[in-house]
Amino acid sequence: NAGVMQNPRHLVRRRGQEARLRCSPMKGHSHVYWYRQLPEEGLKFMVYLQKENIIDESGMPKERFSAEFPKEGPSILRIQQVVRGDSAAYFCASSPRDRLDNEQFFGPGTRLTVL
Amino acid sequence: KNQVEQSPQSLIILEGKNCTLQCNYTVSPFSNLRWYKQDTGRGPVSLTIMTFSENTKSNGRYTATLDADTKQSSLHITASQLSDSASYICVVNVPGAGSYQLTFGKGTKLSVIP
Repeated sequence: NAGVMQNPRHLVRRRGQEARLRCSPMKGHSHVYWYRQLPEEGLKFMVYLQKENIIDESGMPKERFSAEFPKEGPSILRIQQVVRGDSAAYFCASSPRDRLDNEQFFGPGTRLTVL
Repeated sequence: KNQVEQSPQSLIILEGKNCTLQCNYTVSPFSNLRWYKQDTGRGPVSLTIMTFSENTKSNGRYTATLDADTKQSSLHITASQLSDSASYICVVNVPGAGSYQLTFGKGTKLSVIP
């Protein structure tokens, strides 16, 4: 019973390149959440997706960032033209539904370093 | 100002000793308060979850308490083990629209030494 999978675990990009982070939710989970953790900070909500739908992207920067959760395949968080300030750990979580009493299960994270 | 404040920032204790971590929150109202354990390089893992009407919840050697009047929570770890070394994060969940949005504290970094 695999948990939430994220890859790559570590990603190094030069300024101006694109970063693609992938998240496969737990089996049976149709809700995906992305969080960002800057150094010495708590996790911050970015975006909430269900299959083929973005439900809430209020925590995601308006420019350069996008997310998708296609009908088939993993959820993707895409960062275009990365800058040094994008260096952070990006965590994905999944749940079977968004009710308050439903646990969000976190993946191991992708650590993005922008040179 | 962060809506969830944790103290201390870091803590070092000897193996076998007990410790208590604190969480003060200003988020109100809230649906539930959770404590997570985050090992270095890993994602957070849930330890306890309490609704506003609960005042204590245990999970093995971990016991969380909640005082909704003072907006304080604590996580008590008994008979600490080396594997307890991790960051412990207090998380508050607000009801209503956007209830899936969790508000995280910065965590307390616990080091258990032999």
